[in-house]
Amino acid sequence: DVVMTQSPLSLPVTLGQPASISCRSSQSLVSTDGKTHLNWFHQRPGQSPRRLIYQVSNRDSGVPDRFSGSGSGTDFTLEISRVEAEDVGVYYCMQNRHWPPYTFGQGTKLEIK
Amino acid sequence: EVHLVESGGGLVQPGGSLRLSCTSSGFTFTTYYMSWVRQAPGKGLEWVANINQDGSKKYYVDSVKGRFTISRDNAKNSLSLQMNSLTAEDTALYYCARDGDTINPPFDYWGQGTLVTISS
Repeated sequence: DVVMTQSPLSLPVTLGQPASISCRSSQSLVSTDGKTHLNWFHQRPGQSPRRLIYQVSNRDSGVPDRFSGSGSGTDFTLEISRVEAEDVGVYYCMQNRHWPPYTFGQGTKLEIK
Repeated sequence: EVHLVESGGGLVQPGGSLRLSCTSSGFTFTTYYMSWVRQAPGKGLEWVANINQDGSKKYYVDSVKGRFTISRDNAKNSLSLQMNSLTAEDTALYYCARDGDTINPPFDYWGQGTLVTISS
């Protein structure tokens, strides 16, 4: 199975400051069609997860442009340009290149300092 | 608007069984894989199983193989998960999630979850 490793696991951030989360996969997530199958999710306390970004850098509908994804191969990053209060919660990366199973990272908990 | 609504969770003794259901609306159910994803209390997300559009292909995480069965009723736009031989490790919030189709990556829509508790 592909292992997804996130860092940091805890991320205290001051409002208005940037934040960055790293995700590494144990295998390349590039498929034969050239797409890279790495997604990011956000889960607010007490809520269901919400997909933010798919295929590394494509924002889902309604996702603010302060969220951006980058990376290639096995190394990926989610960046928030200016953290807002509503951004608290846990962020997960997930791969859908080598399945089954789909695999998630451990999660990164973002909190406001 | 896409809606996924899970039901069927509850408290079950170890070794028992439970059947979860997910009703969907707002999209063409027959064109999507569908998945179950679970989250143990205070823990991260774990994909459990998925099923293809016509129900002919089913995939499971190793920890539930032989115990859980995923199925779908396309006439009713519904997804199910039959869970047998339950253990404490199966205690979790179980989410129904829209998986991918030929174009869209998985998990763009999730239900609110149904809680399964395994305890004596």
